[in-house]
Amino acid sequence: AQTVTQSQPEMSVQEAETVTLSCTYDTSENNYYLFWYKQPPSRQMILVIRQEAYKQQNATENRFSVNFQKAAKSFSLKISDSQLGDTAMYFCAFNGMRFGAGTRLTVKP
Amino acid sequence: KAGVTQTPRYLIKTRGQQVTLSCSPISGHRSVSWYQQTPGQGLQFLFEYFSETQRNKGNFPGRFSGRQFSNSRSEMNVSTLELGDSALYLCASSSDRDLGNTEAFFGQGTRLTVV
Repeated sequence: AQTVTQSQPEMSVQEAETVTLSCTYDTSENNYYLFWYKQPPSRQMILVIRQEAYKQQNATENRFSVNFQKAAKSFSLKISDSQLGDTAMYFCAFNGMRFGAGTRLTVKP
Repeated sequence: KAGVTQTPRYLIKTRGQQVTLSCSPISGHRSVSWYQQTPGQGLQFLFEYFSETQRNKGNFPGRFSGRQFSNSRSEMNVSTLELGDSALYLCASSSDRDLGNTEAFFGQGTRLTVV
């Protein structure tokens, strides 16, 4: 069974700085998809970024980028130029069905 | 385009009772999945439906069941409620047959409290 581990329950970062959230997963599959979702305090979960395992290139969406290490089964999220609105729970997900426990990120002014 | 709608938003039930939660997906989406969110366990996958068929099921007891109707609306039922069932229940819909490679759009959830 696939498992997803987010080892950082809580993190904080100063506004405008960079922060990296870690995620590791376990699978025997070769083709799969990885996601980072954000859940702001209002609770609506939204997609931040998606990575397809067969693509070598790391996905990037504006200030959000990933460091995908397939061999190490690692999928970290980097947030550059952190903004107050980035304060949220962040969930790493495998194939849309397996989620990590989440990392609570607080951006401090 | 309306988002994913979950009703009710809040619910308080007594141990031993049963409860039904409803989810209306985004128009045109045929895949609906359900998750349980608790502070300690994060998001746990319950089940996924596509075109009225359950395609995947998480590791939950048989007290948790669901169904999907021809209009893609889905319901989730929990029987013989236990205190540990208190959680936020999230529904997500997806446009693609394959949930694995498609963005899921989430509702705001139903907060269930069992007393």
